[in-house]
Amino acid sequence: SQQGEEDPQALSIQEGENATMNCSYKTSINNLQWYRQNSGRGLVHLILIRSNEREKHSGRLRVTLDTSKKSSSLLITASRAADTASYFCAGPNNAGNMLTFGGGTRLMVKP
Amino acid sequence: GAGVSQTPSNKVTEKGKYVELRCDPISGHTALYWYRQSLGQGPEFLIYFQGTGAADDSGLPNDRFFAVRPEGSVSTLKIQRTERGDSAVYLCASSPGLAGGETQYFGPGTRLLVL
Repeated sequence: SQQGEEDPQALSIQEGENATMNCSYKTSINNLQWYRQNSGRGLVHLILIRSNEREKHSGRLRVTLDTSKKSSSLLITASRAADTASYFCAGPNNAGNMLTFGGGTRLMVKP
Repeated sequence: GAGVSQTPSNKVTEKGKYVELRCDPISGHTALYWYRQSLGQGPEFLIYFQGTGAADDSGLPNDRFFAVRPEGSVSTLKIQRTERGDSAVYLCASSPGLAGGETQYFGPGTRLLVL
């Protein structure tokens, strides 16, 4: 079963705009992770936010976590064409030994 | 340092054949994971190794799928009697194995096509 469910499924914006992707999850987690994937190949880890954190920044990325609503959001500011990719949220299972992913948000940034 | 590598990058085989997919994790990482990703979907967990042992193989879809990690480093995912539905990208990831839920580092994947 999926732990994360991303929304929207697809997002198209112009370069320079901000992109916001949302993730909802089902069970309690000790952290939530965001990954990026280009062209259906390897995933690159972007950011990990722990359950006791509400917001985290990394460069142009900002992640929020609301454990009461079981939701997270990823904001990419001042987007670039190179940000075009699929973005996934993932949460570890109770044993913490594997990640369950949602279907991803496919972001297209037009130059 | 070197990241996770996977070979081959692409594999085309015929229905009913046997295939082996290889994963070289980051040196020193004791945890290794296999995932399968179908087109337009997120990765789905297959199996997790801690050292040489399969700590969780609950994601393997059936007994045609098997994975080994005999020396606690390289892992091989083996698929017997392949079916067209096995076509997908097979992703391997590793992590230090120090704590549950830690960041996983993914390889580029092997794209398997079963004709």
